[in-house]
Amino acid sequence: DIQMTQSPSTLSASVGDRVTITCRASQSISSWLAWYQQKPGKAPKLLIYKASSLESGVPSRFSGSGSGTEFTLTISSLQPDDFATYYCQQYNSYSFGPGTKVDIK
Amino acid sequence: QVQLQESGPGLVKPSETLSLTCTVSGGSISSYYWSWIRQPPGKGLEWIGYIYYSGSTNYNPSLKSRVTISVDTSKNQFSLKLSSVTAADTAVYYCARVRSSQGYCSGGSCYPGLYGMDVWGQGTTVTVSS
Repeated sequence: DIQMTQSPSTLSASVGDRVTITCRASQSISSWLAWYQQKPGKAPKLLIYKASSLESGVPSRFSGSGSGTEFTLTISSLQPDDFATYYCQQYNSYSFGPGTKVDIK
Repeated sequence: QVQLQESGPGLVKPSETLSLTCTVSGGSISSYYWSWIRQPPGKGLEWIGYIYYSGSTNYNPSLKSRVTISVDTSKNQFSLKLSSVTAADTAVYYCARVRSSQGYCSGGSCYPGLYGMDVWGQGTTVTVSS
């Protein structure tokens, strides 16, 4: 089974900051990785698929990179609507990372 | 615009079977993969399994012995059954549509090329308690 880790688990940031979240897989998953944003009481929202492809309608300040075992989600300039929890999910055996909560500094 | 809606009992007794249905509206269930995901209170997301509209399935190994996902294309619905539930199965249960591309094989295994869950239901809370 492929295990996913994320770092950090919590990130405190301010509006306008550049934010980077890292997701690591226990074995290579090529580019089969997605990123989701979840706000309290809401369903997750797809942001990035195939590691670096931006989902339609998602602001361009979100970007994804990486392949193999290490991946990053970057928010170029954090906006008030971006305070949420972010999850990665690998698409070999479909497990999610534990999540990264982005809160207000 | 495709929408998903979960339905089913909000309270299930320990040792019984949890049954949920996801109704797809605004589009056809055909030609897509469909998934169930759950989230225990205050915790992260757990993938339960998926089904293709043709009926082929894949389940989380940790739940495989207790999970059945089925599809009814005539009703544009797919369903989840989880048997022998305990308090640990208390969670918000989501259904979602899964996008797919060309399948591929790697390391002796073949995969359907799934790559993202783009449409989600609002989620339904299921509590396991006597």
